[in-house]
Amino acid sequence: EVQLLESGGGLVHPGGSLRLSCEGSGFIFSSYAMSWVRQAPGKGLEWVSAISGSGDGTYYADSVKGRFTISRDNSKNTLSLQMNSLRAEDTAVYYCAKVWSGYYTSPFYMDVWGKGTTVTVSS
Amino acid sequence: SYELTQPPSVSVSPGQTASITCSGDKLGDKYAYWYQQKPGQSPVLVIYLDNKRPSGIPERFSGSNSGNTASLTISGTQAMDEADYYCQAWDSSIDVVFGGGTKLTVL
Repeated sequence: EVQLLESGGGLVHPGGSLRLSCEGSGFIFSSYAMSWVRQAPGKGLEWVSAISGSGDGTYYADSVKGRFTISRDNSKNTLSLQMNSLRAEDTAVYYCAKVWSGYYTSPFYMDVWGKGTTVTVSS
Repeated sequence: SYELTQPPSVSVSPGQTASITCSGDKLGDKYAYWYQQKPGQSPVLVIYLDNKRPSGIPERFSGSNSGNTASLTISGTQAMDEADYYCQAWDSSIDVVFGGGTKLTVL
């Protein structure tokens, strides 16, 4: 069974940093691109970032570009999201999601999602 | 920036057909995807490549995409289908875009 387990969420002050992790199991991790999607309280889904299966391609939403860094360690089946200069508007549940293919190209969709980890940015 | 527009809410009676639309400029030139999210749960893919159903998704879920509008149709809607539904598209010029979501109420 394909599973994704996020961790690392918590309460952080504005301007602070946090690192999220996502461990994948039940599939060949390095063969698939991965993505982070967030959902602010009571709001809809917002794509945050994606990374190719090999890790040589990274992609970001404009809202986080320059502040967040996505990475992966295929030897440990782990996806990470380093979040710096956090703002109140970054408060959300962050979902890790497996992408259908190994690349950031069409068709691009997320076929398996984790349960999410909550990030709260507040003073 | 590219936007996908969904109605905030749709209501349907049990056993009837529910249709949720997703509008975007030349959306029919891209693939549309649909996710279902029940309260307190993670999103689940219900339609990919405009009209394909992942394994385990009931046949009553179907999709279409043409022109500027993609649609998710649920035939014989059941109480368990009550959820938020999000459309999604991808293009090299727009990256990943989600619609604002539609709350489906079965009453």
